[in-house]
Amino acid sequence: QQQVKQSPQSLIVQKGGIPIINCAYENTAFDYFPWYQQFPGKGPALLIAIRPDVSEKKEGRFTISFNKSAKQFSLHIMDSQPGDSATYFCAASRKYGGATNKLIFGTGTLLAVQP
Amino acid sequence: EAQVTQNPRYLITVTGKKLTVTCSQNMNHEYMSWYRQDPGLGLRQIYYSMNVEVTDKGDVPEGYKVSRKEKRNFPLILESPSPNQTSLYFCASSSQRDNAYEQYFGPGTRLTVT
Repeated sequence: QQQVKQSPQSLIVQKGGIPIINCAYENTAFDYFPWYQQFPGKGPALLIAIRPDVSEKKEGRFTISFNKSAKQFSLHIMDSQPGDSATYFCAASRKYGGATNKLIFGTGTLLAVQP
Repeated sequence: EAQVTQNPRYLITVTGKKLTVTCSQNMNHEYMSWYRQDPGLGLRQIYYSMNVEVTDKGDVPEGYKVSRKEKRNFPLILESPSPNQTSLYFCASSSQRDNAYEQYFGPGTRLTVT
């Protein structure tokens, strides 16, 4: 119930393609679904996030699609660029022990965008 | 510049030799956390702290200790490291008031235990 399942493990696309990364969860108590982006040698950084009361959120070339009934959400990267090559983690968050928000991470997707 | 710093960035040690990885944040965040990142397993929480002198176990706490004596610092202690603690470690912090859901990560500490 605490897991967030992420696929694929790795992904290679050509420049301009639209990579899609999928995540699924079980616990309906999750109330916030962020995506983190990690470049080699760096820590993860928040990329975009969505709450379960909306079905889609766009920020620039990045879009989250959310399907509450299926308990699935996905990240789409429009017009992907070589600079988007990174590891992407989905996550789910819920209130835990009162005020603390606990993040449960997926296993990560290594994306390579070829020129 | 708002940031989370970790030291050292790289560490090679031997089994059983106590070590400490330091973490410091300059954003006055209440919440701090330690994660380990392993291939195929993603990021798993080791310990977290909601404020000074308040710490609790995460999902994989065995073999680790933490302390939170000051708001800005949250060191990770390995009393007797073992090879299965070879991993990439990240410290993170977040504000419980502003956007409690966004965690800011440090640059990571790559630990090798031989």
